[in-house]
Amino acid sequence: NAGVTQTPKFQVLKTGQSMTLQCAQDMNHEYMSWYRQDPGMGLRLIHYSVGAGITDQGEVPNGYNVSRSTTEDFPLRLLSAAPSQTSVYFCASSRAGGAGSYNEQFFGPGTRLTVL
Amino acid sequence: AQSVTQLDSHVSVSEGTPVLLRCNYSSSYSPSLFWYVQHPNKGLQLLLKYTSAATLVKGINGFEAEFKKSETSFHLTKPSAHMSDAAEYFCVVILSGGYQKVTFGTGTKLQVIP
Repeated sequence: NAGVTQTPKFQVLKTGQSMTLQCAQDMNHEYMSWYRQDPGMGLRLIHYSVGAGITDQGEVPNGYNVSRSTTEDFPLRLLSAAPSQTSVYFCASSRAGGAGSYNEQFFGPGTRLTVL
Repeated sequence: AQSVTQLDSHVSVSEGTPVLLRCNYSSSYSPSLFWYVQHPNKGLQLLLKYTSAATLVKGINGFEAEFKKSETSFHLTKPSAHMSDAAEYFCVVILSGGYQKVTFGTGTKLQVIP
């Protein structure tokens, strides 16, 4: 199993450009999430999905779009990049838990994005 | 509302001495609690998790954590630090009742001095 894969590993954008960060998992996990990591702030949830065709907003969704057409893929789109979106982005997946129980998340290696 | 507080942003220990990384949470409900480790320029890896079974949880690489409901704490410990333990550690709280209620602590960077 490759686990959770993310592409690209590094990206530099100019303000106003758009791009898509790719995320794929081969573990047949129901849940997938996108986080951004900024110094001193831990990881903050951008968007998440509990299954194909179902997405919802997390803590910091503004400026980002997601879709989930398959179980495996969960791309993150930046519609018009801004310097405030300079960050490291992590994708994660996990199995659905039972009532009141949550399973561990498996993380990808991250994408380091710089917006000039 | 829920929150998680990692009390130290940086911890420095000598190799071979004990490690204590502190985490407190606030929650009106029974939480699921996790510790993750992130080595430089890497993704996050699960160390251990608590999901209302035994209060003392053993994880990988000799780490363990104790859930203390009365103190709302979930501190991470290791009896003897190794150079390879140098990394950033995150405490994570997930509330029952909603997948979106995932809250990460701000992280503790562990330095191990030879």
